Amino acid sequence: DQQVKQNSPSLSVQEGRISILNCDYTNSMFDYFLWYKKYPAEGPTFLISISSIKDKNEDGRFTVFLNKSAKHLSLHIVPSQPGDSAVYFCAASAINNNDMRFGAGTRLTVKP
Amino acid sequence: DSGVTQTPKHLITATGQRVTLRCSPRSGDLSVYWYQQSLDQGLQFLIQYYNGEERAKGNILERFSAQQFPDLHSELNLSSLELGDSALYFCASKPTPDSLYGYTFGSGTRLTVV
Repeated sequence: DQQVKQNSPSLSVQEGRISILNCDYTNSMFDYFLWYKKYPAEGPTFLISISSIKDKNEDGRFTVFLNKSAKHLSLHIVPSQPGDSAVYFCAASAINNNDMRFGAGTRLTVKP
Repeated sequence: DSGVTQTPKHLITATGQRVTLRCSPRSGDLSVYWYQQSLDQGLQFLIQYYNGEERAKGNILERFSAQQFPDLHSELNLSSLELGDSALYFCASKPTPDSLYGYTFGSGTRLTVV
């Protein structure tokens, strides 16, 4: 069951512009959301997270927005850099649950 | 280096065979998770161990099993392998299941079944 969905398999943006990656979830019990970044031949690395008590979390160029009523979150990268080119996974879990559900990933390409 | 070590990095084996994937969690982490990533698929949760005991099971086939040893390393055993088992297998660790921090992932084992 796809409880976390990333409907865009790929996204291409120009260097310096904004990248917006989207994620939808279906399980209303999820209350903690994360974004992971994955380069080829490496495991995913934690990027940024947000709990359901917030609607925005910012860390440098990366901002995650959460819309609980729409069961939607997005990751904004501003300004985008070529080094940001990677696959981005959205993940969700319920605090005190034992596993995390991942989306299928979005491949971001930032062109110089 | 994330601190989570997975071996081997690559594995090629024939259908019907059995393989063992190994994971050493980050120092201090007691909770280990196994995920499978097939082509164009997200990370599918397989199984979780905490301090040697199984805590949760996801979409893990009966042909697959895992365990966590007293030194906290974990092994994922895949048997009667089929072509469709070809995938990347990731191990991840957290200090405890309730830790609010995200997982630390290993670099994965790429399994190819021919």
